[in-house]
Amino acid sequence: SYVLTQPPSVSVAPGQTARIPCGGDDIGSKSVHWYQQRPGQAPVVVVYDDSDRPSGIPERFSGSNSGNTATLTIGRVEAGDEADYYCQLWDSASDHFVFGTGTKVTVL
Amino acid sequence: EVQLVESGGGLVQRGGSLRLSCAVSGFNVRNDYMSWVRQAPGKGLEWVAVIYSGGGAYYADSVKGRFTISRHNPENTLFLQMNSLRVEDTAVYYCARLKTGEFVDQWGQGTLVTVSS
Repeated sequence: SYVLTQPPSVSVAPGQTARIPCGGDDIGSKSVHWYQQRPGQAPVVVVYDDSDRPSGIPERFSGSNSGNTATLTIGRVEAGDEADYYCQLWDSASDHFVFGTGTKVTVL
Repeated sequence: EVQLVESGGGLVQRGGSLRLSCAVSGFNVRNDYMSWVRQAPGKGLEWVAVIYSGGGAYYADSVKGRFTISRHNPENTLFLQMNSLRVEDTAVYYCARLKTGEFVDQWGQGTLVTVSS
């Protein structure tokens, strides 16, 4: 089955840029989506279809996808961005949803 | 306003059964792809099952043959029938709507299922 790999944690200072990679075999050929989950809350999509943002999501959140890595980038990081982030895609070969292993973003 | 409200969670013994419900308002479950996603305590998100608007359903390997996803269109409700429950099925279960069939744009608040040994 398809596997998406993320680093367990990323630390970033306020005002700096956080980059969260999501690795998968030829992931660049698939559409990747990203979720933010704060403690005790349901996830919220912050980027869909590799790089699109839902309404209400700040422009500081952006995504890219190429080769074997998709990346969520959070610019000008704020304390409120501290959360768990998950990548996700639909594996059409198996008709399975796949979530990444998740990355905890800590704002120093 | 779109709302997804799960119910039916609770404590059950290993080998037992439980049925989760998700009452939906603001859209019709028969017209959208609907899914269940779970999260074990302190762990990541895990997809469980999906039901297409046409009625077809797919399951994660970990639950296939034990769980059944269904919907009741008149009541606009999604279900998850869980049989032969295992301790590792302990998790918060989220009801979810899939946008374009590929990502979740609406989530419920979740319902906790605890399977005891």
